[in-house]
Amino acid sequence: AQRVTQPEKLLSVFKGAPVELKCNYSYSGSPELFWYVQYSRQRLQLLLRHISRESIKGFTADLNKGETSFHLKKPFAQEEDSAMYYCALSVCMRFGAGTRLTVKP
Amino acid sequence: EPEVTQTPSHQVTQMGQEVILRCVPISNHLYFYWYRQILGQKVEFLVSFYNNEISEKSEIFDDQFSVERPDGSNFTLKIRSTKLEDSAMYFCASSDGTGGPGNTIYFGEGSWLTVV
Repeated sequence: AQRVTQPEKLLSVFKGAPVELKCNYSYSGSPELFWYVQYSRQRLQLLLRHISRESIKGFTADLNKGETSFHLKKPFAQEEDSAMYYCALSVCMRFGAGTRLTVKP
Repeated sequence: EPEVTQTPSHQVTQMGQEVILRCVPISNHLYFYWYRQILGQKVEFLVSFYNNEISEKSEIFDDQFSVERPDGSNFTLKIRSTKLEDSAMYFCASSDGTGGPGNTIYFGEGSWLTVV
């Protein structure tokens, strides 16, 4: 069965500090993984996906098949990064529970 | 940039009433989805739709729910006999289905349904 786990509901860091939002998945096939972000009062937006191996807004995520993880990282958090972050698996987008990131000044 | 649009943005309905939530997906997209997000909870997949039929649905999508693509542009979610627990934000989404793995899904802004 497809499952996505985001163990942290809330994460708070200071501006300029590194941030890592954890995501673990369970899937028997080849995973397709995404990170979506939802800023306050806005729609869900794609942040990045593992197949493109890109960096968006300073965020990166590496697929680790051995650990079945797709953690989202940013070396220096900014206040505008405060949002809800969802890890998602596969074409039909099974979402994790989400992590609310707060970046304090 | 093309967007998925949803109407209404907010609807209040009495328990037991029928509700239709409307969505206009991005015009060249072939796959359509509905998701639900109860306040304070995660985004939950309801149903996906392709080639004029449901391709996948979750356990949440029971007989109370139905989807339809009545014309070339709209994609609707009907909720029959609404219950209090149907109160949630409902997101429509679409994707073009091309490019193999990693199709990006684009979301609408959501329709907030309040059942009283």
